[in-house]
Amino acid sequence: EADIYQTPRYLVIGTGKKITLECSQTMGHDKMYWYQQDPGMELHLIHYSYGVNSTEKGDLSSESTVSRIRTEHFPLTLESARPSHTSQYLCASSEWGGGEMNTEAFFGQGTRLTVV
Amino acid sequence: DQQVKQNSPSLSVQEGRISILNCDYTNSMFDYFLWYKKYPAEGPTFLISISSIKDKNEDGRFTVFLNKSAKHLSLHIVPSQPGDSAVYFCAASARDSSASKIIFGSGTRLSIRP
Repeated sequence: EADIYQTPRYLVIGTGKKITLECSQTMGHDKMYWYQQDPGMELHLIHYSYGVNSTEKGDLSSESTVSRIRTEHFPLTLESARPSHTSQYLCASSEWGGGEMNTEAFFGQGTRLTVV
Repeated sequence: DQQVKQNSPSLSVQEGRISILNCDYTNSMFDYFLWYKKYPAEGPTFLISISSIKDKNEDGRFTVFLNKSAKHLSLHIVPSQPGDSAVYFCAASARDSSASKIIFGSGTRLSIRP
């Protein structure tokens, strides 16, 4: 059972607003990720973290920023939302892995963001 | 440059028959491969994985095959059931790399018809 939570599930917001998408996990995982997915498209990695105070940009350029002050919490912020930010945002976490240890990522339910 | 490729965007299979979903990768550093299932408006759920030291892993109706020389893996679902209709994502990572991250393909939409 995955214990990773995202809030809100759905968000409709006006252009120019600042938003923060929350992601929390209770599994003690060091690695956390943010993916962005448009309908029918692949999951694009936009941010990842290997632990507290560690954040890196993913493969897809994003205007969002992240922080990792606590192991369990990995919020994503958009300072000024635009219609082009409309998408589904998926948070995930995983163990470090190595050897035969399972390192599958567990996903939250996602946040469907619509900027109008 | 896509490191994980799923070249079939959709697949339709009759209930009870075998579903075969394919995936190719380009990065030879990948040593761990995963399949996820996703319903609309939900997060992906993990299905099955395989380490590069194996060429087959089975879990109930799901079997993943890995061909390292061809950099190809496939997911077999047999028998296919209506509840299997979803989008399936292939993913890969290099677990022992300090820069490891999980890279996903573009997904294949599987439809199981009665």
